[in-house]
Order: sequence, then structure tokens, then C-alpha cells
Amino acid sequence: EIVLTQSPGTLSLSPGERATLSCRASQSVRGNYLAWYQQKTGQTPRLLIYGASSRATGIPDRFSGSGSGTEFTLTISRLESEDFAVYYCQQYSNSPWTFGQGTKVEVK
Amino acid sequence: EVQLVESGGGVVQPGGSLRLSCEASGFTFEARTMHWVRQRPGKGLEWLSFISWSGGATEYADSVKGRFTISRDNTNNSLHLQMSSLRTEDTAFYYCAKGQDTTTWYGPLDSWGQGTLVTVSS
Repeated sequence: EIVLTQSPGTLSLSPGERATLSCRASQSVRGNYLAWYQQKTGQTPRLLIYGASSRATGIPDRFSGSGSGTEFTLTISRLESEDFAVYYCQQYSNSPWTFGQGTKVEVK
Repeated sequence: EVQLVESGGGVVQPGGSLRLSCEASGFTFEARTMHWVRQRPGKGLEWLSFISWSGGATEYADSVKGRFTISRDNTNNSLHLQMSSLRTEDTAFYYCAKGQDTTTWYGPLDSWGQGTLVTVSS
């Protein structure tokens, strides 16, 4: 099983600031089959990024993903009020599909 | 518009059983892999199970293997999760989710239902 470790657990930032979220895998993620999801309070998860760096349909370009192998990053270039949420990485290269524990981006 | 609507949640005693359903619309159901994911209250996401397009292949997380069974009915565009030997730690919101890709089993989950709450308590 591929274990995903996200850091930091909580990120306290102000609107307009840059957010950098990390996801580290316990072994290499085949094909960079790594996705990022956003979950706002009381809502269901939404796919943001897949294939480590491809934005899903309708996702603003302030969201970007990068990385390969075991190290992946989600960057939000300039935080807007609607971006404060919990973000999860997920690998879908091997069964079992696994999620990281999440990073909460909160208002400073 | 893609819609995934879960049902079947409720309160059940430890050791009991429950069957969740997910009604799908707005896409070609038989062309998509489907998954179940759960989220304990206030906690993170936990992937539970996968089923291939035809239903011929399934996968499970160790935490539910042997207790939960995923199935699908492509005629009626529905997905199911039969849960048995339920434990208090199975208390969670259960989401069905749609695989993005049509050519590989291994794709991200691009649409999610609103979830159904299962509470296991005596």
C-alpha cells in the first residue's frame, strides 16, 4: 500500500498569499497518477488536479500541481476567500487507492 | 449534468448489515469505473472499494475486505455497497464516486455524490 503524507497539517494564510501544499508518497507513484481534491466545510470533495499537474474541468489557473515519483506539490498562487478548505492528495496508480490525511488551509 | 445520489444510510447495531445504493445519471454509467469512499465525522477521506465497468473486477481496502461487497447494475445505472458485520468504527459518511477515465481502471474520481450517513451504534 502506498502511504501518502501531507504537510503541513494546517496552513494559516491571508487572502492574496501563495499556498504551497506537499504530498509525499512512501513509494514511487507509477505514471504520476496523483490527484488533488478540495473539500469545503459541509461539501463533498472536488477534483482539482490529476496526473500530478493537469487541472480538472473548470478549475481556475491559480491552482497548479507539480512533482513526480514520491514528491508532489499543490500550489495556489493567490488565495481567494473560496479557497480556504481542506485539500487531499490521492494516488490512483495502485490498489488500494489511498488518500493523504489532508491539509487545512485556514484564514490567518 | 452528472448526478450521483446515495441512499440507504441509517442507524444499525454492531454486527448488523446495511445496503447502500447510488443512482447515477448524466453520463454513460457502464463506461465508468465506480468507487466507494467514506469519511468518518471530522476526519479524512478513506477509499473503500472499486468496481470495473462490467463489474467483473473489484478491489477493497483491507479495513472492509471480507465484510463489504461492491456491485453494480448497468441496466439501472446503479451502484451498491453491501455492508455486513458492521463495527462502530464504520460510522461515517459514505460517498459514491465516478472514475474519470474510460480506457483505464486507474483514474481519479471526478464526480462525487452528496453522501449517506451510516451510524453503527447499540
